[in-house]
Order: sequence, then structure tokens, then C-alpha cells
Amino acid sequence: GNSVTQMEGPVTLSEEAFLTINCTYTATGYPSLFWYVQYPGEGLQLLLKATKADDKGSNKGFEATYRKETTSFHLEKGSVQVSDSAVYFCALSDHQGAQKLVFGQGTRLTINP
Amino acid sequence: NAGVTQTPKFQVLKTGQSMTLQCAQDMNHNSMYWYRQDPGMGLRLIYYSASEGTTDKGEVPNGYNVSRLNKREFSLRLESAAPSQTSVYFCASSEAYPTGNYGYTFGSGTRLTVV
Repeated sequence: GNSVTQMEGPVTLSEEAFLTINCTYTATGYPSLFWYVQYPGEGLQLLLKATKADDKGSNKGFEATYRKETTSFHLEKGSVQVSDSAVYFCALSDHQGAQKLVFGQGTRLTINP
Repeated sequence: NAGVTQTPKFQVLKTGQSMTLQCAQDMNHNSMYWYRQDPGMGLRLIYYSASEGTTDKGEVPNGYNVSRLNKREFSLRLESAAPSQTSVYFCASSEAYPTGNYGYTFGSGTRLTVV
């Protein structure tokens, strides 16, 4: 079945550091890929998405590129801020009617000033 | 612009008690979902409803039932709560593929503790 694997957390960085959170997936066919962010005490919010190979999703300074050859969708940001502290989830969906999402285990990110 | 509304936000149950978690969306989405979130395990799909009048099991359906009351509302019921059902529960909605590529809208969650 479909699955998503994220890098183990927690990740702690200093403000203005470069961020990479690794995500790889296993899926049949050509899924859509997503990054969701969860701030403390809140539900998940869509951060960015890519629907086909070589697409780059971007939002709020975050980027991720859909790499079919390596089955990856790594999240990057050039200069993180304290306000980026949150839990980040990589997810995929199949294209079979209902958009059932399969999530990775989440990566907790803490940014220190 | 309420989006997805879940009630209650917090609940403590004793083992064996029953309860229903409520979810309503105002975005006219066809599909709705219930997930549970446990530490280190991400979110796991309990049940989903692709459209009004249909419901299907997800990855972890045991111990739960659902009702798609109408297009707006999708409830999750625990008939006899167990400590293993202590979790944070999220409801979400979306459009089906291909328009569903815009992703889910999530509620703010229900934190359930079973003692």
C-alpha cells in the first residue's frame, strides 16, 4: 500500500538557518504530494502541494519539488524564523475519488532566536 | 468563514462509556474524513465519506462508527470507549479528485482521554 516516511525529529535550528525536512514515499501510480503544518493546539493547515513529477510547490518561503526518480518531496526553507516552529507532515493522496491522504509521522521543528 | 467545526474540543470518558464527536463543514465539500493523531504515528484514517450517503472504512476503523447525516455533517461514534482510543481526533473535508488537489481543510481537533 501507499506510505510516507519522514526524517526523524525533533529538529532544532537557530533563526535564519537553512531547513531541510526529508520525505520519501511509496505509491502505485502518480500520487499528489502535500506538506501540512500544525501549530500548537491547532489543526493541520495545507502548506504546499505538487500534483505531478517535477512540479515545485511553494508558500511562505517554503519549497518542495516532486521527484519521481527518487520518490521524494523534501521540504526546504532558506532562512527559518521563530514563527516557523511547528510540526510538519508530508502526505500523499491517490486519485481514486475521495482524496484519502496518507501521512508521514510528522517532524517537530523548533527554531531558537 | 468557519470552515470545519468540531465539537467538543475536550472530553474525558470512562472505559465503556459512549460518545459522539460532531463535525460540520460549510464549504460545500463532497468528501469528509475522520483521522486520529497519536504521538510518533502521524494521522491515521478511521473512516471517510466520499459523498453524501456513502461511508467507508479507513486504516483503523475498529471500535468506531460514523454517520454522514447530510452533506455538511459527519459524526464519529465510540460505542464503548477503551483507553486505546485516547487520542486527538481530527475531522477534515475536501473535494474529490481532480478538484480535490487543493487538499484538505481540517477542524481544530477533539482531545479525548479515556480513563
